[in-house]
Amino acid sequence: GEEVAQTPKHLVRGEGQKAKLYCAPIKGHSYVFWYQQVLKNEFKFLISFQNENVFDETGMPKERFSAKCLPNSPCSLEIQATKLEDSAVYFCASSQSSLSYGYTFGSGTRLTVV
Amino acid sequence: DQQVKQNSPSLSVQEGRISILNCDYTNSMFDYFLWYKKYPAEGPTFLISISSIKDKNEDGRFTVFLNKSAKHLSLHIVPSQPGDSAVYFCAASRPGGSQGNLIFGKGTKLSVKP
Repeated sequence: GEEVAQTPKHLVRGEGQKAKLYCAPIKGHSYVFWYQQVLKNEFKFLISFQNENVFDETGMPKERFSAKCLPNSPCSLEIQATKLEDSAVYFCASSQSSLSYGYTFGSGTRLTVV
Repeated sequence: DQQVKQNSPSLSVQEGRISILNCDYTNSMFDYFLWYKKYPAEGPTFLISISSIKDKNEDGRFTVFLNKSAKHLSLHIVPSQPGDSAVYFCAASRPGGSQGNLIFGKGTKLSVKP
C-alpha cells in the first residue's frame, strides 16, 4: 500500500509486561526507521533497517528493546519488561533510500505503561 | 543536551499573513535540515528540506532559510492558511552517521486564525 501501517494504534501494558509493536512499510521501500516521541516532545531515533538488516542502531536502548524486519512480515519493535518511562508514541517510517527526505511516517502506536 | 532547538512552543498568525518558524542548532557539522508538519493523531509529514551548502530553498508557499554562521534556520509560510495549523518540527541529519538518523526539535504549534 501507499501508507506505512502501524498496529496497534493504542497499547496498554502493566509495568513488567512485554509490548510488541508492528510496522508494515510501503511496498518497495527498503528502509525502515523507528522513532520514539515522549510527551509530545522531540522524536528520538531508535533504529533503522535496510531490508532485514540492521542499518543503524545507535539510538536503541541496550536493554529490553529489540527490533526485527523479516521478509514477508511486518517489522516489529519489542519491549521486554516495560517501564513507566517507556510510555510514548512510537513512530515507524519507511523510505526507498537512506536519505532523510524520502521518509513517510506511519500514524504511530501510543504505548501506555501503567 | 538539545542539539536542535525550537524555542517558541507556539505561534499564532492571521490568515493571509506570513508565518515564520525558527530553529537553532548547536552542531556545525549537521549537513542537512528538514521541516516536518504534524497534525494530531497522525505521523509527521515531510514539508521541505535544505542542504548545508545552500542558504535558501523554496517550494510554493514554503521557504526555508539557512544561516550557517548563526546556526539558525527558519521556515516561512506565505500566505498562511488555516489548514497550515499544525505542529512544525525542525530536524537535522546527524553528521557522520546514516542520513536516516534525524535529530528533531521539540516542535512549534502554529495556529492560523481565519
